[in-house]
Amino acid sequence: AQSVTQLDSQVPVFEEAPVELRCNYSSSVSVYLFWYVQYPNQGLQLLLKYLSGSTLVKGINGFEAEFNKSQTSFHLRKPSVHISDTAEYFCAVSGQSGGSNYKLTFGKGTLLTVNP
Amino acid sequence: NAGVMQNPRHLVRRRGQEARLRCSPMKGHSHVYWYRQLPEEGLKFMVYLQKENIIDESGMPKERFSAEFPKEGPSILRIQQVVRGDSAAYFCASSPLTSSYEQYFGPGTRLTVT
Repeated sequence: AQSVTQLDSQVPVFEEAPVELRCNYSSSVSVYLFWYVQYPNQGLQLLLKYLSGSTLVKGINGFEAEFNKSQTSFHLRKPSVHISDTAEYFCAVSGQSGGSNYKLTFGKGTLLTVNP
Repeated sequence: NAGVMQNPRHLVRRRGQEARLRCSPMKGHSHVYWYRQLPEEGLKFMVYLQKENIIDESGMPKERFSAEFPKEGPSILRIQQVVRGDSAAYFCASSPLTSSYEQYFGPGTRLTVT
C-alpha cells in the first residue's frame, strides 16, 4: 500500500515568484509518481509523471518535478508563476507492478493562490 | 479526440433516492476507474472496470454502491438510498489497455444529497 503527504494545504505567492509544492510518499514497492492540477469546478489534468529514467521531469505549463528516492519526495516547482496557475494541485502515486499500478493514491492537495 | 465525459455535472438527490452517474471513456480506452473526492480530501479509488468485468472494487462501500461497464454504452456508478454522507464529487478516469496508470479524468459529477 502507498500513502502520499502534501505538506502544505495552502501556498500563497505573488505573480512571477518561484514556487515549490512539496510531496512525500511512502511505499514498500517501486512507484510511479504524478502531479495533477484541478481548476475550480473542473476535473483533474495531468501535469507530469515520473515512470523511470531521469529524475527531473518536465511537464506542461512550465512545471517540473524532481524524484528523490532517498528522501521519498516528488516536489513540484515552477520558476515564475502566473495568475492563471491558481488551482489545486494533487500529488499521486501508484505501485509499478501490473497488479496494482492502476490504483492511484492521492494526497489531500495543495491550493496554490497566485496574487497580483 | 474527445476527452472523458461525465454526466450529469451536478446532481441533487433527496435522502433515500437513487443516484446514477455516467461516464464515457476516451475513444480507444477500454479501462474505466471511479474515484470519490470528499470535501477537502484527495481523491479515493473506488472501482476499476473493463468492459463487462469488475476488476477491482476494493474501494467501494459494501452496501448501496455498484458499478458496471456494459459492452455497449457508458459506465454507470449507481448509489441506492443516498445519504448525506454520499455528497461528494465523483470522478471517472479512463486509460488505454497498455498503461493503466496513465489515467485521464473527466470533469466529475458533483452529487448533493439534501
